[in-house]
Amino acid sequence: QKEVEQDPGPLSVPEGAIVSLNCTYSNSAFQYFMWYRQYSRKGPELLMYTYSSGNKEDGRFTAQVDKSSKYISLFIRDSQPSDSATYLCAMSAKGSQGNLIFGKGTKLSVKP
Amino acid sequence: KAGVTQTPRYLIKTRGQQVTLSCSPISGHRSVSWYQQTPGQGLQFLFEYFSETQRNKGNFPGRFSGRQFSNSRSEMNVSTLELGDSALYLCASSLGGLAEQETQYFGPGTRLLVL
Repeated sequence: QKEVEQDPGPLSVPEGAIVSLNCTYSNSAFQYFMWYRQYSRKGPELLMYTYSSGNKEDGRFTAQVDKSSKYISLFIRDSQPSDSATYLCAMSAKGSQGNLIFGKGTKLSVKP
Repeated sequence: KAGVTQTPRYLIKTRGQQVTLSCSPISGHRSVSWYQQTPGQGLQFLFEYFSETQRNKGNFPGRFSGRQFSNSRSEMNVSTLELGDSALYLCASSLGGLAEQETQYFGPGTRLLVL
């Protein structure tokens, strides 16, 4: 079992839809949870960062962490064609600075 | 502030050769991490350097090595290249504090093709 599991998609939605992206993990030591967005031929760009459990909102993006279920989510409201990219979840344990464990990414396409 | 830069952006090598990739972190950042990204395995952690010392290492063979200089710039070397080393190699920098996981900022990557 991989440490981090993420549905690779692809996921295709119409413009304006609410998108839900998810990851599950097995290592209970993970405390830092991130979502990155990667456009084709570019490096990953940090979208959301959450420490431990809870919700965090930033504009159209909401990140949720449920440590009891070992499950994290990213919600995108009012999705736009410019949101079309691959979304990667990443996480790390305390003391493992610099070492992020990534999911394989979900490719999202938002159709106009 | 300039972002993370990586050189070269594209590279073609043949099996058995070696290659050196370079990464310049964001000014003031002292930690540099290297990742390999392939379609099959996704993003995998190679190693992390802080103040010229390797602080963390992933599960890659010894053919993969790195170093960091006093100005925080880092190089990664792969010796005796194999076809399976074809990948996008990403470098990420952060301030490098130990208190908690800090935000890592990624460069655009070096795309390596091994023939």
